[in-house]
Amino acid sequence: AQKVTQAQTEISVVEKEDVTLDCVYETRDTTYYLFWYKQPPSGELVFLIRRNSFDEQNEISGRYSWNFQKSTSSFNFTITASQVVDSAVYFCALDDSGGGADGLTFGKGTHLIIQP
Amino acid sequence: DTGVSQNPRHKITKRGQNVTFRCDPISEHNRLYWYRQTLGQGPEFLTYFQNEAQLEKSRLLSDRFSAERPKGSFSTLEIQRTEQGDSAMYLCASSSLRDPYEQYFGPGTRLTVT
Repeated sequence: AQKVTQAQTEISVVEKEDVTLDCVYETRDTTYYLFWYKQPPSGELVFLIRRNSFDEQNEISGRYSWNFQKSTSSFNFTITASQVVDSAVYFCALDDSGGGADGLTFGKGTHLIIQP
Repeated sequence: DTGVSQNPRHKITKRGQNVTFRCDPISEHNRLYWYRQTLGQGPEFLTYFQNEAQLEKSRLLSDRFSAERPKGSFSTLEIQRTEQGDSAMYLCASSSLRDPYEQYFGPGTRLTVT
């Protein structure tokens, strides 16, 4: 069965520090997608990135970067030069149902607190 | 606003009452999902529609829960005989056939059962 583990329940850093959120996943399928979502205090999940299992290239988008390593089943998320507006709960998710039919499997989330 | 909308945003009900929530997906999206999120947890999948057909249901969806999407547009989720354990945020998401992997989430309906 599929599973997503986010071992860090809460992380607190001071503004401008770099921070990495860990995500480890389990699946028996060779074709799958991985996601990161942000949930600010307002509650709405905001899509950040999608990665398929055949593309292990790391990705950078502004201050955000993602490190996908199949060998360790990890898909970690780094925020560089963090800002107070980055404070939110971040979820890693997995889709191995070939198009979302079984929905996304989410981790429990990491609550990121950026202190001014 | 052309995103996913959900109504009501908050609902307080007494145990044993029935409640119904509504989700309006992005207009061209034919796939619609319901999730439940309890405090401190990630969302958990409940059910999935492709157009008006309900194609998948999680074992979390007990027989007190029923979801419909009668014309392939908006969807309703009804909980009968609510229990305190039903207190949660109920999230709706939609995606298109062209890109089924990108689900757009609504703001959720927070249910409190007293």
